[in-house]
Amino acid sequence: QSVLTQPPSVSAAPGQKVTISCSGSRSSIGNNYVSWYQQLPGTAPKLLIYENNKRPSEIPDRFSGSKSGTSATLGITGLQTGDEADYYCVTWDSSLSVGVFGGGTKLTVL
Amino acid sequence: DVQLLESGGGLVQPGGSLRLSCAASGFTFSSYALSWVRQAPGRGLEWVSAIGTGPDTSYADSVKGRFTISRDNSKNTLYLQMNSLRAEDTAVYYCAKEGAARHFDFDYWGRGTLVTVSS
Repeated sequence: QSVLTQPPSVSAAPGQKVTISCSGSRSSIGNNYVSWYQQLPGTAPKLLIYENNKRPSEIPDRFSGSKSGTSATLGITGLQTGDEADYYCVTWDSSLSVGVFGGGTKLTVL
Repeated sequence: DVQLLESGGGLVQPGGSLRLSCAASGFTFSSYALSWVRQAPGRGLEWVSAIGTGPDTSYADSVKGRFTISRDNSKNTLYLQMNSLRAEDTAVYYCAKEGAARHFDFDYWGRGTLVTVSS
């Protein structure tokens, strides 16, 4: 059971927008930065968002991140079929002194 | 270019041991924290262990006391010694490099090595 809670799946049509939520606690998301990863089938995860809302230079601005209190959100606009993947939120838990991953959200672009 | 290349995976019997390696290149290895992250077949990602630039290490409860993370900065290599292996340790094991600010974000990942624990 993950310490960070994500919806198991989300879906939207090409060109539309989708958001993926990640709920934690004060000791996890509340007190630490959140990062987001995309994992395409059969490949290693790829960093999309770090420090809550920053994008690596190679990540398009269709991807965005935000954090409020003990929750974080990944937003994806202009959905493309190539965005179909699993998405994970990650942070540190200061009380448990462990890294924590969300359970993952499978994005389907209909 | 930054590269992380895991090796050492394979088939091992329950109760057995295995040592994973992650050979790094393209960055100043000694200056960055690293983690091992695993993914059981058909399941999500699970953080396993982390090591800082100093002696600091941390472990998931599921592996504490059985796994040991270490690094050899002279060889630019990260290790994971896995003892008392269980069926539930079966997974692809990835090594991942943290960003410079050490905010537990992983900017580079290896391709993973598969560990199968089965009799």
